[in-house]
Amino acid sequence: GENVEQHPSTLSVQEGDSAVIKCTYSDSASNYFPWYKQELGKGPQLIIDIRSNVGEKKDQRIAVTLNKTAKHFSLHITETQPEDSAVYFCAASIPNDMRFGAGTRLTVKP
Amino acid sequence: ETGVTQSPTHLIKTRGQQVTLRCSSQSGHNTVSWYQQALGQGPQFIFQYYREEENGRGNFPPRFSGLQFPNYSSELNVNALELDDSALYLCASSPTGQNTGELFFGEGSRLTVL
Repeated sequence: GENVEQHPSTLSVQEGDSAVIKCTYSDSASNYFPWYKQELGKGPQLIIDIRSNVGEKKDQRIAVTLNKTAKHFSLHITETQPEDSAVYFCAASIPNDMRFGAGTRLTVKP
Repeated sequence: ETGVTQSPTHLIKTRGQQVTLRCSSQSGHNTVSWYQQALGQGPQFIFQYYREEENGRGNFPPRFSGLQFPNYSSELNVNALELDDSALYLCASSPTGQNTGELFFGEGSRLTVL
């Protein structure tokens, strides 16, 4: 089945700096790649997603890039703010089966 | 619009017991997926239900079973509980039959097995 690896496991940045989280996946049939943010005591919430026919997508301070040939995708957060502090998960999906990475704990220091 | 709700929020069981967790999907969503999230880990896919049928399953043993009801709510049942079953169990609903769209998660049921 699909295997998703995510790096780094923890990331600490200063407010205003950029943060980058990277993921790789194994199943070339995966065609949907969402990113979720999970705050303490809550369920994951979608922040951005990308489909396999697109190489890049941006939504305000958040962007995602996808390289299908290399089977990797990345999350970029610019101008980080303290409220961006949370655990971020990448995922890769084939029909009826979405697999998640192990998560990145992002800390934004004021 | 009501989001995904799960019950109970917390529960404690002992090894060998059985547990049932419940989930109400978001209005208009006919697909429910269940995930197990161990402490410090990403969610692990257990299974998905669409129109009351299981239509996808992860690498979990048969003692993990589920149901989906005509109103699209769902139950996760775990028999013969083991210590390693201690985790946050997340339910997610989505409006399509295939798991290639956004999942809307509930806040989870935290199970502790002693």
